[in-house]
Amino acid sequence: DQQVKQNSPSLSVQEGRISILNCDYTNSMFDYFLWYKKYPAEGPTFLISISSIKDKNEDGRFTVFLNKSAKHLSLHIVPSQPGDSAVYFCAAPHNAGNMLTFGGGTRLMVKP
Amino acid sequence: KAGVTQTPRYLIKTRGQQVTLSCSPISGHRSVSWYQQTPGQGLQFLFEYFSETQRNKGNFPGRFSGRQFSNSRSEMNVSTLELGDSALYLCASSLAPGRPYSYEQYFGPGTRLTVT
Repeated sequence: DQQVKQNSPSLSVQEGRISILNCDYTNSMFDYFLWYKKYPAEGPTFLISISSIKDKNEDGRFTVFLNKSAKHLSLHIVPSQPGDSAVYFCAAPHNAGNMLTFGGGTRLMVKP
Repeated sequence: KAGVTQTPRYLIKTRGQQVTLSCSPISGHRSVSWYQQTPGQGLQFLFEYFSETQRNKGNFPGRFSGRQFSNSRSEMNVSTLELGDSALYLCASSLAPGRPYSYEQYFGPGTRLTVT
């Protein structure tokens, strides 16, 4: 039972353009979401989070949007840079603790 | 502030052996979680410790165990290693549960375990 899904395994974007990474979830009890970036042979790096009481959170070039009725969130990166090329994971904590459920990840490639 | 550290970074073990991995959290972080990353299963939660107590456990066999010490450092142990245990094992630390931003977990670089 995959409670957090990232349906696009990969995304290619030109440098300077917008990257939009999508994530869907099925568990309506999720009330907080996080995005992580991961380079090969490194641990995931926390990027940005959003609480279910908000529908948008912005941090520099990164903005996360949450649509609770659709059980969908998205990460926007504007403008995209070659250094953003990595695998991006969305995640949700549950069980009243720090048990993160991760999506399968989307590999973003930003072309110069 | 130093990040999460994990030792060793790489390990090669033989089937049937056991292994212990170590994790030191960010200073001030008291919750430590462990995850396994494999190409087929992605990132999967193993267990979470806070105040030397296991708070949550993922769907892994009893061969996987862990503990946390009074200084918040944590170890995980895998006994009777199988080929399928080959994976990147990641440790993450966070603030104490219930505190603001406690959901934000910060990961170490991982331990790459290869079982032959």
